[in-house]
Amino acid sequence: EPEVTQTPSHQVTQMGQEVILRCVPISNHLYFYWYRQILGQKVEFLVSFYNNEISEKSEIFDDQFSVERPDGSNFTLKIRSTKLEDSAMYFCASSPGTDPVNEQYFGPGTRLTVT
Amino acid sequence: GQNIDQPTEMTATEGAIVQINCTYQTSGFNGLFWYQQHAGEAPTFLSYNVLDGLEEKGRFSSFLSRSKGYSYLLLKELQMKDSASYLCAALDSNYQLIWGAGTKLIIKP
Repeated sequence: EPEVTQTPSHQVTQMGQEVILRCVPISNHLYFYWYRQILGQKVEFLVSFYNNEISEKSEIFDDQFSVERPDGSNFTLKIRSTKLEDSAMYFCASSPGTDPVNEQYFGPGTRLTVT
Repeated sequence: GQNIDQPTEMTATEGAIVQINCTYQTSGFNGLFWYQQHAGEAPTFLSYNVLDGLEEKGRFSSFLSRSKGYSYLLLKELQMKDSASYLCAALDSNYQLIWGAGTKLIIKP
Protein backbone atom coordinates (compact mmCIF):
# COMPACT_ATOMS: atom_id res chain seq x y z
CA GLU A 1 0.00 0.00 0.00
CA PRO A 2 1.42 3.44 -0.91
CA GLU A 3 2.57 5.55 1.99
CA VAL A 4 4.01 8.95 2.77
CA THR A 5 7.69 8.80 3.72
CA GLN A 6 9.74 11.35 5.63
CA THR A 7 13.46 11.80 6.19
CA PRO A 8 15.25 12.02 8.48
CA SER A 9 13.34 10.32 11.28
CA HIS A 10 15.24 12.40 13.81
CA GLN A 11 17.16 15.65 13.28
CA VAL A 12 19.25 17.37 15.92
CA THR A 13 20.39 20.89 15.19
CA GLN A 14 21.85 23.84 17.02
CA MET A 15 19.86 26.97 17.65
CA GLY A 16 20.20 29.41 14.75
CA GLN A 17 20.88 26.75 12.14
CA GLU A 18 18.71 25.98 9.15
CA VAL A 19 17.09 22.59 8.64
CA ILE A 20 15.32 21.00 5.72
CA LEU A 21 12.77 18.30 6.41
CA ARG A 22 11.94 16.06 3.50
CA CYS A 23 8.79 14.27 2.51
CA VAL A 24 7.75 12.06 -0.37
CA PRO A 25 3.96 12.20 -0.66
CA ILE A 26 1.91 9.42 -2.20
CA SER A 27 2.56 9.62 -5.93
CA ASN A 28 -0.89 10.45 -7.30
CA HIS A 29 -1.84 12.83 -4.51
CA LEU A 30 -2.27 16.51 -5.25
CA TYR A 31 -2.55 18.21 -1.84
CA PHE A 32 0.39 18.28 0.54
CA TYR A 33 0.55 19.46 4.12
CA TRP A 34 2.94 20.09 6.97
CA TYR A 35 1.90 19.84 10.60
CA ARG A 36 3.84 20.01 13.81
CA GLN A 37 3.19 18.47 17.20
CA ILE A 38 5.15 19.68 20.19
CA LEU A 39 5.64 16.84 22.65
CA GLY A 40 2.47 16.26 24.64
CA GLN A 41 0.53 18.92 22.78
CA LYS A 42 -1.99 19.03 19.97
CA VAL A 43 -1.27 18.72 16.28
CA GLU A 44 -0.99 22.15 14.63
CA PHE A 45 -1.54 22.96 10.97
CA LEU A 46 1.35 24.77 9.31
CA VAL A 47 0.71 24.88 5.59
CA SER A 48 -1.08 23.26 2.67
CA PHE A 49 0.28 23.15 -0.86
CA TYR A 50 -1.55 22.55 -4.12
CA ASN A 51 -0.70 23.07 -7.75
CA ASN A 52 2.85 24.13 -6.91
CA GLU A 53 1.88 26.90 -4.56
CA ILE A 54 0.84 27.47 -0.98
CA SER A 55 -2.90 27.03 -0.63
CA GLU A 56 -3.30 27.98 3.03
CA LYS A 57 -0.95 28.75 5.90
CA SER A 58 -1.42 29.25 9.60
CA GLU A 59 -0.15 32.04 11.83
CA ILE A 60 2.69 29.75 12.88
CA PHE A 61 3.97 29.60 9.31
CA ASP A 62 5.84 32.91 9.28
CA ASP A 63 8.92 34.05 7.35
CA GLN A 64 11.03 31.52 9.23
CA PHE A 65 9.36 28.73 7.27
CA SER A 66 9.18 27.89 3.60
CA VAL A 67 8.05 24.95 1.52
CA GLU A 68 9.14 23.71 -1.83
CA ARG A 69 8.39 20.95 -4.28
CA PRO A 70 11.79 20.81 -5.99
CA ASP A 71 10.92 17.90 -8.26
CA GLY A 72 8.03 15.59 -9.03
CA SER A 73 8.29 13.60 -5.86
CA ASN A 74 9.77 15.55 -2.94
CA PHE A 75 8.06 18.12 -0.73
CA THR A 76 10.30 19.97 1.71
CA LEU A 77 9.89 22.19 4.75
CA LYS A 78 12.76 24.59 5.45
CA ILE A 79 13.09 26.16 8.87
CA ARG A 80 15.57 29.02 9.07
CA SER A 81 17.29 30.26 12.23
CA THR A 82 15.87 27.47 14.37
CA LYS A 83 14.79 28.26 17.91
CA LEU A 84 14.47 26.00 20.94
CA GLU A 85 10.70 26.20 20.64
CA ASP A 86 10.84 24.72 17.14
CA SER A 87 11.60 21.36 18.74
CA ALA A 88 8.65 19.15 17.79
CA MET A 89 7.52 16.29 15.63
CA TYR A 90 6.88 17.48 12.10
CA PHE A 91 4.39 15.49 10.07
CA CYS A 92 3.93 15.62 6.33
CA ALA A 93 0.60 14.53 4.87
CA SER A 94 -0.92 14.21 1.44
CA SER A 95 -4.42 13.75 0.09
CA PRO A 96 -5.82 12.74 -3.28
CA GLY A 97 -7.98 14.67 -5.70
CA THR A 98 -8.51 18.34 -6.29
CA ASP A 99 -10.85 18.73 -3.32
CA PRO A 100 -9.21 19.91 -0.08
CA VAL A 101 -11.82 17.93 1.83
CA ASN A 102 -10.27 14.53 1.75
CA GLU A 103 -8.69 11.96 3.99
CA GLN A 104 -5.11 12.97 4.71
CA TYR A 105 -2.42 10.32 4.83
CA PHE A 106 0.33 11.11 7.30
CA GLY A 107 3.99 10.23 7.15
CA PRO A 108 5.81 8.82 10.18
CA GLY A 109 7.16 12.23 11.14
CA THR A 110 10.54 13.84 11.71
CA ARG A 111 11.46 14.56 15.29
CA LEU A 112 13.34 17.87 15.34
CA THR A 113 15.43 18.65 18.40
CA VAL A 114 16.94 22.11 18.62
CA THR A 115 19.72 22.45 21.21
CA GLY B 1 -11.48 31.92 18.37
CA GLN B 2 -11.39 28.35 17.15
CA ASN B 3 -11.56 25.58 19.67
CA ILE B 4 -11.94 21.82 19.87
CA ASP B 5 -12.78 20.21 23.20
CA GLN B 6 -12.51 16.54 24.04
CA PRO B 7 -11.83 14.66 27.27
CA THR B 8 -8.19 14.22 28.16
CA GLU B 9 -8.37 10.59 29.12
CA MET B 10 -10.87 7.72 29.26
CA THR B 11 -10.63 4.16 30.52
CA ALA B 12 -12.63 1.20 29.27
CA THR B 13 -12.64 -2.57 29.49
CA GLU B 14 -11.69 -4.97 26.72
CA GLY B 15 -14.80 -6.09 24.84
CA ALA B 16 -16.85 -3.11 25.98
CA ILE B 17 -18.10 -0.01 24.15
CA VAL B 18 -16.78 3.52 24.62
CA GLN B 19 -17.95 6.88 23.30
CA ILE B 20 -15.51 9.76 22.93
CA ASN B 21 -17.16 13.15 22.65
CA CYS B 22 -15.94 16.25 20.87
CA THR B 23 -17.32 19.76 20.65
CA TYR B 24 -16.03 22.29 18.19
CA GLN B 25 -16.16 25.98 17.45
CA THR B 26 -14.60 27.01 14.16
CA SER B 27 -14.71 29.80 11.63
CA GLY B 28 -16.83 28.02 9.09
CA PHE B 29 -17.10 24.27 8.90
CA ASN B 30 -16.21 21.80 6.18
CA GLY B 31 -16.39 18.58 8.11
CA LEU B 32 -15.18 16.70 11.16
CA PHE B 33 -12.41 14.12 11.16
CA TRP B 34 -11.41 11.51 13.71
CA TYR B 35 -7.85 10.20 13.74
CA GLN B 36 -6.14 7.56 15.86
CA GLN B 37 -2.62 8.18 17.12
CA HIS B 38 -0.50 5.61 18.90
CA ALA B 39 2.26 7.05 21.06
CA GLY B 40 5.18 8.26 18.97
CA GLU B 41 3.42 7.53 15.70
CA ALA B 42 1.59 9.50 13.04
CA PRO B 43 -2.18 10.03 13.10
CA THR B 44 -4.16 7.58 11.00
CA PHE B 45 -7.56 8.39 9.52
CA LEU B 46 -10.65 6.85 11.08
CA SER B 47 -13.67 8.79 9.84
CA TYR B 48 -15.06 11.91 8.23
CA ASN B 49 -18.50 13.46 8.77
CA VAL B 50 -19.89 16.52 7.06
CA LEU B 51 -23.63 15.78 7.24
CA ASP B 52 -25.61 15.19 10.41
CA GLY B 53 -25.96 11.61 11.44
CA LEU B 54 -24.08 8.43 12.10
CA GLU B 55 -21.41 6.91 9.87
CA GLU B 56 -20.59 3.30 10.65
CA LYS B 57 -17.36 1.61 9.66
CA GLY B 58 -16.83 -1.79 11.23
CA ARG B 59 -16.25 -1.51 14.98
CA PHE B 60 -15.99 2.28 14.74
CA SER B 61 -18.84 4.74 14.21
CA SER B 62 -18.83 8.52 14.16
CA PHE B 63 -21.71 10.90 14.73
CA LEU B 64 -22.11 14.56 13.87
CA SER B 65 -24.59 17.25 14.88
CA ARG B 66 -23.73 20.48 13.08
CA SER B 67 -26.35 22.52 14.93
CA LYS B 68 -24.82 21.53 18.26
CA GLY B 69 -21.18 21.65 17.14
CA TYR B 70 -20.85 18.13 18.47
CA SER B 71 -19.42 14.81 17.37
CA TYR B 72 -18.65 11.51 18.96
CA LEU B 73 -16.61 8.47 18.08
CA LEU B 74 -18.05 5.14 19.18
CA LEU B 75 -15.75 2.16 19.52
CA LYS B 76 -17.33 -1.27 19.96
CA GLU B 77 -15.86 -4.63 21.01
CA LEU B 78 -12.79 -2.91 22.35
CA GLN B 79 -9.45 -4.61 21.83
CA MET B 80 -6.19 -3.95 23.64
CA LYS B 81 -4.73 -2.56 20.40
CA ASP B 82 -7.34 0.22 20.54
CA SER B 83 -5.34 1.81 23.34
CA ALA B 84 -4.27 5.08 21.70
CA SER B 85 -5.10 8.75 21.53
CA TYR B 86 -8.14 9.70 19.48
CA LEU B 87 -7.95 13.10 17.83
CA CYS B 88 -10.95 15.14 16.80
CA ALA B 89 -10.24 17.69 14.06
CA ALA B 90 -12.56 20.16 12.34
CA LEU B 91 -11.97 21.56 8.87
CA ASP B 92 -12.59 25.30 8.93
CA SER B 93 -13.66 27.68 6.18
CA ASN B 94 -10.05 27.98 4.98
CA TYR B 95 -9.77 24.19 4.77
CA GLN B 96 -7.35 24.15 7.68
CA LEU B 97 -7.65 21.26 10.10
CA ILE B 98 -8.13 22.51 13.65
CA TRP B 99 -7.14 19.76 16.06
CA GLY B 100 -8.25 18.83 19.53
CA ALA B 101 -5.67 17.82 22.10
CA GLY B 102 -6.74 14.20 21.82
CA THR B 103 -8.37 11.72 24.17
CA LYS B 104 -6.06 9.07 25.55
CA LEU B 105 -8.00 5.83 25.69
CA ILE B 106 -6.76 3.20 28.12
CA ILE B 107 -8.11 -0.33 27.65
CA LYS B 108 -7.99 -2.67 30.62
CA PRO B 109 -8.30 -6.46 30.38
